[in-house]
Amino acid sequence: AQTVTQSQPEMSVQEAETVTLSCTYDTSENNYYLFWYKQPPSRQMILVIRQEAYKQQNATENRFSVNFQKAAKSFSLKISDSQLGDTAMYFCAFIPWAGAGSYQLTFGKGTKLSVIP
Amino acid sequence: NAGVTQTPKFQVLKTGQSMTLQCAQDMNHEYMSWYRQDPGMGLRLIHYSVGAGITDQGEVPNGYNVSRSTTEDFPLRLLSAAPSQTSVYFCASSRKRGGQETQYFGPGTRLLVL
Repeated sequence: AQTVTQSQPEMSVQEAETVTLSCTYDTSENNYYLFWYKQPPSRQMILVIRQEAYKQQNATENRFSVNFQKAAKSFSLKISDSQLGDTAMYFCAFIPWAGAGSYQLTFGKGTKLSVIP
Repeated sequence: NAGVTQTPKFQVLKTGQSMTLQCAQDMNHEYMSWYRQDPGMGLRLIHYSVGAGITDQGEVPNGYNVSRSTTEDFPLRLLSAAPSQTSVYFCASSRKRGGQETQYFGPGTRLLVL
């Protein structure tokens, strides 16, 4: 079974600063996908960024980037130039490659990020 | 496209009552799933479907039934609600199964069981 651990229940960052959210996972799979989802107060789940395990290059999406360390099973999210709209819960999630037969997204417990003006 | 829609937005039930949470998508997605989110927890998979007529259990299926008679709809049934089922329920869909596909989430249904 896969597990996803987010060790920071809450974090805060000053507007325009950079913050890094941590995520570690445990799996015996070699091929899989990792995600960061954002959940603002509206409760809508929004995909922020996705990383394929077979790709060594770290994924980036505008101000969001990841540091993917496959051997260490670590997948952190860096938010640059933080904005007030980044205030939300952030969930790290894992899913095995489709051929492994499991279709379940496994989520961490989340990190509540507050951006301070 | 409306994307993934869920009704109702909020519901209060008494213990023992039954109800159906509705989920629909208009993107012709094969894969649909139901998650529940409890305070301090991430989302946990209840049931999923890889196509019309095919459903399977996720991590926390007890107390819930599903069916998939059409590609568009994937209702979640609570046959006899219990306080432990108080939660926020999310429906999600993707074009096909697997992590290479983006999962689209509905806005959620907040359920309170008294």
